[in-house]
Amino acid sequence: DSGVTQTPKHLITATGQRVTLRCSPRSGDLSVYWYQQSLDQGLQFLIQYYNGEERAKGNILERFSAQQFPDLHSELNLSSLELGDSALYFCASSELRSTNEKLFFGSGTQLSVL
Amino acid sequence: GQQVMQIPQYQHVQEGEDFTTYCNSSTTLSNIQWYKQRPGGHPVFLIQLVKSGEVKKQKRLTFQFGEAKKNSSLHITATQTTDVGTYFCAGPPISSGSARQLTFGSGTQLTVLP
Repeated sequence: DSGVTQTPKHLITATGQRVTLRCSPRSGDLSVYWYQQSLDQGLQFLIQYYNGEERAKGNILERFSAQQFPDLHSELNLSSLELGDSALYFCASSELRSTNEKLFFGSGTQLSVL
Repeated sequence: GQQVMQIPQYQHVQEGEDFTTYCNSSTTLSNIQWYKQRPGGHPVFLIQLVKSGEVKKQKRLTFQFGEAKKNSSLHITATQTTDVGTYFCAGPPISSGSARQLTFGSGTQLTVLP
């Protein structure tokens, strides 16, 4: 158990809909990352938050947005969903107190857009 | 932007054979990390290398960081069925400053035949 909690584990929805994925980082970790993993694809970095502030942005679509709340949990909002958004979405956390950015991953949310 | 490539993409080996995956970055890395993702699981941190030319061992696994800090390798001696999974390298570019965006390689999927 990595200590990172993601909910829900599975999500099935229709095109055009909006969903919210939730992530609670490990106790003490201030940084949260979101990654997308499609079938047979690597881990595509979406966005990173540190202590409530956006720190880095990757290949995140404009239809996607995220935020980190004062209690450090994070939410990834996906809107106007398309079939191609079907993927495994991972949240990861790290301390980000030094040059060691070892990431601890949650078990992921499997999103299926039908 | 930074690209991290891994070869091979897939590798099938007979149990007991050795296995090597190679990781190449388009930019100099401040450190290199390796993760393992079991089928149906989430990425799990294995090790981090920081120094140029560094070599670290974990039982049957040997990790190496290139002299130019742009490439790395993971070698598994005498593979076992428990080694099955996808191995990812990841590293923040040395020039990324405080953002420290961790870019993951494309991964090598290892299958071990009993």
